[in-house]
Amino acid sequence: NAGVTQTPKFRILKIGQSMTLQCAQDMNHNYMYWYRQDPGMGLKLIYYSVGAGITDKGEVPNGYNVSRSTTEDFPLRLELAAPSQTSVYFCASSFGLAQETQYFGPGTRLLVL
Amino acid sequence: AQTVTQSQPEMSVQEAETVTLSCTYDTSESDYYLFWYKQPPSRQMILVIRQEAYKQQNATENRFSVNFQKAAKSFSLKISDSQLGDAAMYFCAYRSWGFGNEKLTFGTGTRLTIIP
Repeated sequence: NAGVTQTPKFRILKIGQSMTLQCAQDMNHNYMYWYRQDPGMGLKLIYYSVGAGITDKGEVPNGYNVSRSTTEDFPLRLELAAPSQTSVYFCASSFGLAQETQYFGPGTRLLVL
Repeated sequence: AQTVTQSQPEMSVQEAETVTLSCTYDTSESDYYLFWYKQPPSRQMILVIRQEAYKQQNATENRFSVNFQKAAKSFSLKISDSQLGDAAMYFCAYRSWGFGNEKLTFGTGTRLTIIP
């Protein structure tokens, strides 16, 4: 049982490039989330999904896209990377009820130059 | 909208001593959840403890306990018998009750240093 896994661990992008951050969970959780953490700050929700085929925006969705074709995977797509997207990105999952604890992956550090 | 405030950017404690990290929040809701997450240098977010607002009893997990004061909207974390492995950033987080309230609102964190 690996929990929540994220790839890559670290990536450098040039302005205008695109990339996909991968997230997978093996706990059969319905809910999955993407957060970003800027230096010295707490996490902010980018997008979340309540099940395969269903996604919704969080606090800071601009510049990102998501899809959820399976229960296990929830990739985050960055289109036209900008320096403001330099951050650490965390994927999380929970079983499905609103009171359930969210379990986090190890994070992906992204640097946009 | 809910807000979470952690007023102590940094704290330090001698190994084996007790330390309390502060957290206050603002909400108009009566039912919600509160969490403390630990973020070690590896950056992974690890759940330390959680509290349901409808429960009057303070949550406890081994050396970690909370002082939840609903009327004061305060949710402090007490770490007893501090260990070197407790060194990390600690984040307080709030979550609303019920479906459609999936967002965790985080504070800005407290960096805890353990002095050997």
